[in-house]
Amino acid sequence: SQQGEEDPQALSIQEGENATMNCSYKTSINNLQWYRQNSGRGLVHLILIRSNEREKHSGRLRVTLDTSKKSSSLLITASRAADTASYFCATHASSSSGGSYIPTFGRGTSLIVHP
Amino acid sequence: GAVVSQHPSWVICKSGTSVKIECRSLDFQATTMFWYRQFPKQSLMLMATSNEGSKATYEQGVEKDKFLINHASLTLSTLTVTSAHPEDSSFYICSAATGGRSLFFGSGTRLTVV
Repeated sequence: SQQGEEDPQALSIQEGENATMNCSYKTSINNLQWYRQNSGRGLVHLILIRSNEREKHSGRLRVTLDTSKKSSSLLITASRAADTASYFCATHASSSSGGSYIPTFGRGTSLIVHP
Repeated sequence: GAVVSQHPSWVICKSGTSVKIECRSLDFQATTMFWYRQFPKQSLMLMATSNEGSKATYEQGVEKDKFLINHASLTLSTLTVTSAHPEDSSFYICSAATGGRSLFFGSGTRLTVV
């Protein structure tokens, strides 16, 4: 089953507005990463936040992590048309058998930024 | 940051042939690599976990004989799609884990079987 679940599944905004995407997960994690994927392309790593961190910034990106609620958010400020892409969170958590850590992806948020 | 190289980025093959996809960690040793498959507008589904020097662990529903995984060294894992059919057409992506369990992803391979 999916570990991470992004919300909303789709988001349509105007250029200049902020975009907020959320990710919820089920089990304890070592870290959580956000990725961007342009249509038909590979994943681009955006930011990694460790389980002992609460907030992290990178340029126009701001990621928060609330381990008590098992959730994370990605905020893109002053969005641009070029930010149009799908955004995924990926968690690195233990497998259902309690064995080695395996990474799982959420379904992603499709962001459209209108110029 | 760590770099994972995946090759080829796209491939078109005839039905019945086999295709090999390579995943290399360029500047770190990856004891574990993961292979995913992504259908259009869907999330990435984990296919298998590849451990250096041992057999891969496949997720439920993934055919081991169809998707052969070899992790012969700490920097290279390969996925071979054997006797490919049009339904195997998909986007395949690998990721590699560092010792600290940070994950880095390849750029993916678009496979089209005609």
